[in-house]
Amino acid sequence: SQTIHQWPATLVQPVGSPLSLECTVEGTSNPNLYWYRQAAGRGLQLLFYSVGIGQISSEVPQNLSASRPQDRQFILSSKKLLLSDSGFYLCAWSPLPDEQFFGPGTRLTVL
Amino acid sequence: GQQVMQIPQYQHVQEGEDFTTYCNSSTTLSNIQWYKQRPGGHPVFLIQLVKSGEVKKQKRLTFQFGEAKKNSSLHITATQTTDVGIYFCAANFGNEKLTFGTGTRLTIIP
Repeated sequence: SQTIHQWPATLVQPVGSPLSLECTVEGTSNPNLYWYRQAAGRGLQLLFYSVGIGQISSEVPQNLSASRPQDRQFILSSKKLLLSDSGFYLCAWSPLPDEQFFGPGTRLTVL
Repeated sequence: GQQVMQIPQYQHVQEGEDFTTYCNSSTTLSNIQWYKQRPGGHPVFLIQLVKSGEVKKQKRLTFQFGEAKKNSSLHITATQTTDVGIYFCAANFGNEKLTFGTGTRLTIIP
């Protein structure tokens, strides 16, 4: 069966510090991968998605970036965090343009 | 841009009452999906609707897709405390990504 992992589960970072969030999927190959951000009590904002290694589509211009160095690995990064980057970051995978399976998420607080 | 409107934003109901959330798009959809996010959790896929006028049921949940494939609804009959959470619709406009609605947060008054 397929599983999706995200770490860390929670993170507290100072403004201006770098960020690296990792997402890995097991039990499938060539999945579509997605990064979302959810502000407290709000909806899901699509940040990036990838349909293959090295292929990244950005949805929202901001100080975040994403990379897919391996088929089942998706990384979200920032060189300098802003207060507005706080939120719940969710990674998801999909076998097709179809239902998406979400990871447990990372709660990021920028102070 | 491709957006989907979801209402209401919040819904408080007495346990046993019914609940409905609606999603609308100005553009025809390829399909629409529904997700549930429990408090403190991550969204979990509930169902996908593809055909015009499609109606699907899961126990007390009824999902509908409009004839024009521009709107959808989720109806819960006789709500229970386990139904609390945020319900999201997610629209597929025919590409690799989903556009999520803003969600409806359901709270149950025991």
